[in-house]
Amino acid sequence: KAGVTQTPRYLIKTRGQQVTLSCSPISGHRSVSWYQQTPGQGLQFLFEYFSETQRNKGNFPGRFSGRQFSNSRSEMNVSTLELGDSALYLCASSFGAGRGSGNTIYFGEGSWLTVV
Amino acid sequence: GENVGLHLPTLSVQEGDNSIINCAYSNSASDYFIWYKQESGKGPQFIIDIRSNMDKRQGQRVTVLLNKTVKHLSLQIAATQPGDSAVYFCAENIGSGGGADGLTFGKGTHLIIQP
Repeated sequence: KAGVTQTPRYLIKTRGQQVTLSCSPISGHRSVSWYQQTPGQGLQFLFEYFSETQRNKGNFPGRFSGRQFSNSRSEMNVSTLELGDSALYLCASSFGAGRGSGNTIYFGEGSWLTVV
Repeated sequence: GENVGLHLPTLSVQEGDNSIINCAYSNSASDYFIWYKQESGKGPQFIIDIRSNMDKRQGQRVTVLLNKTVKHLSLQIAATQPGDSAVYFCAENIGSGGGADGLTFGKGTHLIIQP
């Protein structure tokens, strides 16, 4: 079956603009989370959604937001872009609650955002 | 705050040798650990996971060892191949609800396979 799909793969935005990134989880997965990856900070957790509800949130400013739709697809939005927002944004999905085998967390290929 | 860290940023091994990648964690409440492999330009790929009620788990050519006493995790790759060249991350999950909530990643180790 298809993996986690993220769109767009690459994009360039100007400071002050906003951006919306999309994620389609693996079919049947209901938990979707987002991560930011930069060379300096590594992989950092943004937020996680399960059944359209945000369950967990990382330490990012309010400019970063997200949502999940009834079909489990998710979007994240960054408003008032700053140069430091340039990063690889990764989406991950898993079946649902519980950890360990049977609920493996899979990542997409990511969306490369460059802010100029 | 709590974090997961890796001992070595780069590890170079000969093709065919075994590789051991180490990871230290500081949160004693962590109860689920995952190893990911990330190749250049790609997203992290799940390798193997382990729960805190286990101290060893084996997969295909990979073994994860967990030492809760010293809060140490290691990934052993047997008979390394050129395709094993990548950055390897350990991650811990201490989320309350499970699933893809709040993975904390280490900085990563770059594994280089020498021909």
